[in-house]
This record gives sequence, structure tokens and C-alpha cells, in this order.
Amino acid sequence: KNEVEQSPQNLTAQEGEFITINCSYSVGISALHWLQQHPGGGIVSLFMLSSGKKKHGRLIATINIQEKHSSLHITASHPRDSAVYICAVARNEKLTFGTGTRLTIIP
Amino acid sequence: DADVTQTPRNRITKTGKRIMLECSQTKGHDRMYWYRQDPGLGLRLIYYSFDVKDINKGEISDGYSVSRQAQAKFSLSLESAIPNQTALYFCATSDPGGPNEQFFGPGTRLTVL
Repeated sequence: KNEVEQSPQNLTAQEGEFITINCSYSVGISALHWLQQHPGGGIVSLFMLSSGKKKHGRLIATINIQEKHSSLHITASHPRDSAVYICAVARNEKLTFGTGTRLTIIP
Repeated sequence: DADVTQTPRNRITKTGKRIMLECSQTKGHDRMYWYRQDPGLGLRLIYYSFDVKDINKGEISDGYSVSRQAQAKFSLSLESAIPNQTALYFCATSDPGGPNEQFFGPGTRLTVL
């Protein structure tokens, strides 16, 4: 069993829909990261969380340390949000990555 | 200019050839990492370096070697490339301490025929 599990693996939605991507992990961590990988391949960091909730524009990330679970939400989704979203956990000064969720937003 | 650069961006080579992928950063970070990404798999750590004199194996270091020439430069070598090393390779950097936010290069797409 992978240390970091994401669901769903693929998600297709209509423009404007509320999107939720989930991440569960099985080990103790110092922080959890959400990353975005664009179709061209580049990877950017969206959020780092060690507790609670963070918001940036239409993106919201939450974490429940006790349940070892995090969610990434996108409100009012737009085709430009189409990308692979990757969850990663920080442990022993290294990151362990989930396999990613491929999100496609249809106009 | 990009903070983390990788060269080449794309490379096609043949089995048995020696290949070097280079990574440079202007962020002034001590820590540098090499990952590979394969379809359906998460990013996997090949090697990492926490400063110029420090080199550590990651989870999939077999068949690879690295060199940390300076704080800003970290190179990955495939001494004798094989087809299952075909993948997307990323370099990343981070500051020591803290929650380990990493900054990624644009990736190198390597194909071994």
C-alpha cells in the first residue's frame, strides 16, 4: 500500500463546478503539500499545510492530522484549472508523492 | 529568468550510452533533489544533496550517479542508459529546515531506445 493515496485518479467536470480532490496518508508527517502539474509538465507548489485550512483565490486546502487526510477544493472551476494535482507529504526532510489526480474542466 | 533550470529539456539516446542531465538554480538553496516521473507512478526520489559535500541515495538510485559541483549545480548521470530509464526527470531545490517546500525545474524528457 502506498504511503500517499489520492482519489479520484481522474476527474472530469463542467466549468463552474465545485471540485474536491482527496489525499490520505499512512505515516507521521511534518507537513503536506499540494502541487499542480500543467500539461507542459512544469510543477508548481500550491499549498503547504501542517494544520487547518488555507485559501488562495479559488483554491482551498484543508488537513485533518488525526484522520491523516487532506482535501483540495476548487470553487467555480475553469478550463485553465485543467492539470494534474499532486499531494506530497514531508517526512524526514524528504517528500513522498501521491500518483496525482488528472482534472479536466470542460467549457 | 527561471530560478531552477534543467538541460537538456528533451533527449533521445540509445541503450548503453552515457547521459548527463544538468540542473542549475539561482535560489541560493542548499538542498537539491533529482526525481523521475513515470506514467501512473508518483515522483520518485533518485538522489538528494543537502549541501555541496553531502550526497544521499533515494529510493531508486540504481543505475544513476550524481555530482554536486557547486551549491547551484547538481548533475544526474546515467552511466549506461537502458530503455526502462525512459521517463520525465525533475530537479528540485529547497531551503533547509521548515516544511520542505520544493521548487521544481521544468523537467527533462529522456527517451532511451
